[in-house]
Amino acid sequence: TAGITQAPTSQILAAGRSMTLRCTQDMRHNAMYWYRQDLGLGLRLIHYSNTAGTTGKGEVPDGYSVSRANTDDFPLTLASAVPSQTSVYFCASSDEVKAYNEQFFGPGTRLTVL
Amino acid sequence: AQSVTQLGSHVSVSEGALVLLRCNYSSSVPPYLFWYVQYPNQGLQLLLKYTTGATLVKGINGFEAEFKKSETSFHLTKPSAHMSDAAEYFCAVSDIPHTGFQKLVFGTGTRLLVSP
Repeated sequence: TAGITQAPTSQILAAGRSMTLRCTQDMRHNAMYWYRQDLGLGLRLIHYSNTAGTTGKGEVPDGYSVSRANTDDFPLTLASAVPSQTSVYFCASSDEVKAYNEQFFGPGTRLTVL
Repeated sequence: AQSVTQLGSHVSVSEGALVLLRCNYSSSVPPYLFWYVQYPNQGLQLLLKYTTGATLVKGINGFEAEFKKSETSFHLTKPSAHMSDAAEYFCAVSDIPHTGFQKLVFGTGTRLLVSP
């Protein structure tokens, strides 16, 4: 199985432009997450979704929005990109919302905002 | 609030030497602890996790970690490093806050360098 796929692999974006990062999982997991990874800061949670039709804010949600129309897809949208959103973005999923559950990660999208 | 501290942003070892990556946590409840590995240009992959029970946890690729409550530590070890172990390693603590999602708090990561 593919697990989690993310697209695009990388992107250079002009400041002020909008962009949607795509994430699809084939494991039928209920919960999905978006993280950003920045040097020296580890991974920080942007948004999450415990199940299709619901979403919530994580640690750093400003400037980002998400939707969860179905179980498999969890797109992340930047409405008007700023240079501080330059980062590597990871989508993740887990079977259930349990503190002991493993989260499975996609390969990431490297975004540069100029 | 939960937090994780990883001592040393970089650790260098020779091939065949012991690997020790340090992780200390802060948690107000019994913690669920994870070690993830990230190979270059890839996503994170679970190495091992501690939930309850045996405090010595064995993971993939010969890694293990010991949960020490008295020291609030969850250090990662491997007896003999391989070149293929060169990667970044993240310790994380997990919780379900009142908002009802799985909150994984990551450390800042330790890059393991393995020399021949």
